Amino acid sequence: ETGVTQTPRHLVMGMTNKKSLKCEQHLGHNAMYWYKQSAKKPLELMFVYSLEERVENNSVPSRFSPECPNSSHLFLHLHTLQPEDSALYLCASSQGLTGLNYGYTFGSGTRLTVV
Amino acid sequence: DAKTTQPPSMDCAEGRAANLPCNHSTISGNEYVYWYRQIHSQGPQYIIHGLKNNETNEMASLIITEDRKSSTLILPHATLRDTAVYYCIVVIQGAQKLVFGQGTRLTINP
Repeated sequence: ETGVTQTPRHLVMGMTNKKSLKCEQHLGHNAMYWYKQSAKKPLELMFVYSLEERVENNSVPSRFSPECPNSSHLFLHLHTLQPEDSALYLCASSQGLTGLNYGYTFGSGTRLTVV
Repeated sequence: DAKTTQPPSMDCAEGRAANLPCNHSTISGNEYVYWYRQIHSQGPQYIIHGLKNNETNEMASLIITEDRKSSTLILPHATLRDTAVYYCIVVIQGAQKLVFGQGTRLTINP
């Protein structure tokens, strides 16, 4: 365990469903991130939260909606997804936005399949 | 942020030192070099970072050339569990994001 916990580990959803991915960190970090990793592609940054405020939204479609209720929890709400949204969704946290001293800590990810 | 260039793949024998190169010829003075690795189907894991000086920790050593245009990550005694994709990332001080490239797929052979 890295100290960043993501649930569920696997998710299969239909294109008309609504679901949420959850991320929780127990490291006392103050910045959290969502990344998407599609097959054979580099990780793509989706959202950045610092002190519970969104500081970056990397041109992500509105069918992905993040929520950061406090510095320990981060959610990604999903609705009307497309099959091409199938990917590994990774959450990360850091102390400060660059994680300058200790880097980012990643969770194990949620493997999402849209059918 | 400066771009990095890494070989797409490398092989290394178990027990030998694995030396992974990274070119970052456009790096500026306030940019750090970070290394992460991603074992199959897991999240990336922080390994080490440096600015100018060589660095060593329990996982690896980082050698940065004097002109800072390239660096090498050294895994001194590679094991099968070190098989992973290794990412070299240049991060500007105060930046708000970590941008990953394609990395190097390192395979440790028995």
